[in-house]
Amino acid sequence: GAGVSQSPSNKVTEKGKDVELRCDPISGHTALYWYRQSLGQGLEFLIYFQGNSAPDKSGLPSDRFSAERTGGSVSTLTIQRTQQEDSAVYLCASSFLGGLDEQFFGPGTRLTVL
Amino acid sequence: GENVEQHPSTLSVQEGDSAVIKCTYSDSASNYFPWYKQELGKRPQLIIDIRSNVGEKKDQRIAVTLNKTAKHFSLHITETQPEDSAVYFCAASYQGAQKLVFGQGTRLTINP
Repeated sequence: GAGVSQSPSNKVTEKGKDVELRCDPISGHTALYWYRQSLGQGLEFLIYFQGNSAPDKSGLPSDRFSAERTGGSVSTLTIQRTQQEDSAVYLCASSFLGGLDEQFFGPGTRLTVL
Repeated sequence: GENVEQHPSTLSVQEGDSAVIKCTYSDSASNYFPWYKQELGKRPQLIIDIRSNVGEKKDQRIAVTLNKTAKHFSLHITETQPEDSAVYFCAASYQGAQKLVFGQGTRLTINP
C-alpha cells in the first residue's frame, strides 16, 4: 500500500511569509507526528496527534508554528511569518497505534527561507 | 524532560568489521528503544527495536542491547557492508510512551 506522503517536496519562501506543509499518513494509522531535521542534526519533535485526543504541542518552538489534523487523516503544519532559522527538513510520520509502535516516515519537505 | 545522548557522531569502519553505536537516556520510565536508519536523501526507517522487558535482541547482522540500570542501549552491526553506510538514530519513549526522543545521530561510513 501507499506510504506516508508529504507535499511539497521543496519549498522556498521569503522571510516573513506564511507556509503550509501537508502530510498524508498511511490509511488507518491513528497517530501522526511532525519532526524537524536541521542540516546534520537529529529529529526534533514538534507535535503529535493521536486519534481524537487533544494534540501534544509541547515541541512547537514558537507560537508561529501550528498544526491541525482534519478527519483523523491529513495533517497540515503551518509556519507563520517565517524566519531564516525555520529552514530545515520537516518530516511527518504515522503509526498504527502510536506510542510503542513503529513510525513510518514521509519523504519530508525541505523548507528554505531566504 | 527526556534527553537522549548518542555517540559517536561519526564512525568509520572497514568493510567486514563490526560497528557499535551507544545511547544513554535520562527518563527511567522509558520502555521502548527503536533504532532508525536514514540513507542519504531518504527517509528514516526502523531497523530494530527493543522493549524494556528484554536485554538483547538480534536480527541477522544487527543486535541491540539494553541496560536499564545504567540507562543505556547500544546498536551492534557485525560483518559490515557498504550498504550499511547511513546515519543511524536511536530513540527512547517518553511521557507514557506517547512520543519518542531521538539522539543526534551517528554517521556510519563503511570503507571498502
